[in-house]
Formats: sequence, structure tokens, C-alpha cells
Amino acid sequence: GQQLNQSPQSMFIQEGEDVSMNCTSSSIFNTWLWYKQEPGEGPVLLIALYKAGELTSNGRLTAQFGITRKDSFLNISASIPSDVGIYFCAGSTSGTYKYIFGTGTRLKVLA
Amino acid sequence: DGGITQSPKYLFRKEGQNVTLSCEQNLNHDAMYWYRQDPGQGLRLIYYSQIVNDFQKGDIAEGYSVSREKKESFPLTVTSAQKNPTAFYLCASSIGAGTGELFFGEGSRLTVL
Repeated sequence: GQQLNQSPQSMFIQEGEDVSMNCTSSSIFNTWLWYKQEPGEGPVLLIALYKAGELTSNGRLTAQFGITRKDSFLNISASIPSDVGIYFCAGSTSGTYKYIFGTGTRLKVLA
Repeated sequence: DGGITQSPKYLFRKEGQNVTLSCEQNLNHDAMYWYRQDPGQGLRLIYYSQIVNDFQKGDIAEGYSVSREKKESFPLTVTSAQKNPTAFYLCASSIGAGTGELFFGEGSRLTVL
């Protein structure tokens, strides 16, 4: 099935650093979703975006819906050890039944 | 609390046996989904249901079956015809098919012995 391009694939950062990751699509979406998944657990929804250009925050997390509607960005500020996990994006378009998922970014935070 | 409940969390099966994974949601969502997650492969759609008494095959439906007799329930049966059933299975729901926020359950890990 189709997957969204997500980068970087993995990141090793020091505690306190900021993190940026992005997803790109060949298709236009009208919903972008960002998730965090920890080993053996289901993905947890972090942020939902519904409008081109929209910038939404959830604590230290900020996500943006790209102007072209083909990309989205997630930033984590002042990372802490519990930020460790896999972050992935998902996009959907009204009228389709599908959510398309990104390939995931594995984040490791060094204390 | 509103959410999606999957059970069991861990399941072991002998080859040749059918097993059923439970998924219940109390979010009043019309659409429900089953995904399979394998290491390095991301999420793959098995089946989805847009409304009660209706369901459609996803990308990897072979060897699986579902039912949607109630709005809140969408059980998945992994049949003996599924060649490689060992995986992490995730149930999800959204207000409408492909619409709005998609919420996941905690997952069920199936291991075939």
C-alpha cells in the first residue's frame, strides 16, 4: 500500500534539544495527523490538523499543515527522555475511506 | 473514559487454529478499522467498516474475516488460511471513513507457535 515519505528515519539527540521531522505526499490531503508509538503499545494521537497553513501546539509539540496540502511538519521543543518512541504522520482526504501513514521517525534522547 | 478496547493483549495460537481478536469502542464512531503492524513495514489495512452491517477488504484481507453487527464492536478473526499470522494487530476508529481523527486501541500481539 501507499506510504508517506517521512524524514528523518531516526534521530539521536541530547536532552534539551529541539527536534523537527516532516512528511511529504504526492497527493493532497485535507487532514494531517501526528502520532507517537511506544514499543508494544498502540499509537497515541498527538495533534490533528485540518486547514492548509494551520499551526497547532500541544505542550512542547507543534505541528503545521503545509500550504501545498502535500506536507506536514512536527517539532518537539526541549526534548526529554520520555519523548523516546516512534513518531509517524497520517493523512486523509474526504470521500476516501483511507488514512495513509508515514514510514515513521524513531527518536532516541540521550540524557 | 472514551476509547477503544482491544483484547486479548497477548495471544498464542497453534498452527491450524482460528483466533478472534476483540475490538470495542465507546466513541460513537461509525468507521472502524483493523491494521497489521510488522517490524519495518508500517501499518497495513486489513479490513474496514464504514457503518454497521457493512465492511470492506483492505490491502491484505486474505486469511482474515470480520463482522460488524453492532456499532461499537468490530471483531477480527485470523483464520488458518493466513500464512504468516504472527504480528501486532491494531484496531482503530474514526467518526467517518477517512474523516477526522483516527484513534487506536492498545493493540493485540498474536504469536503462532
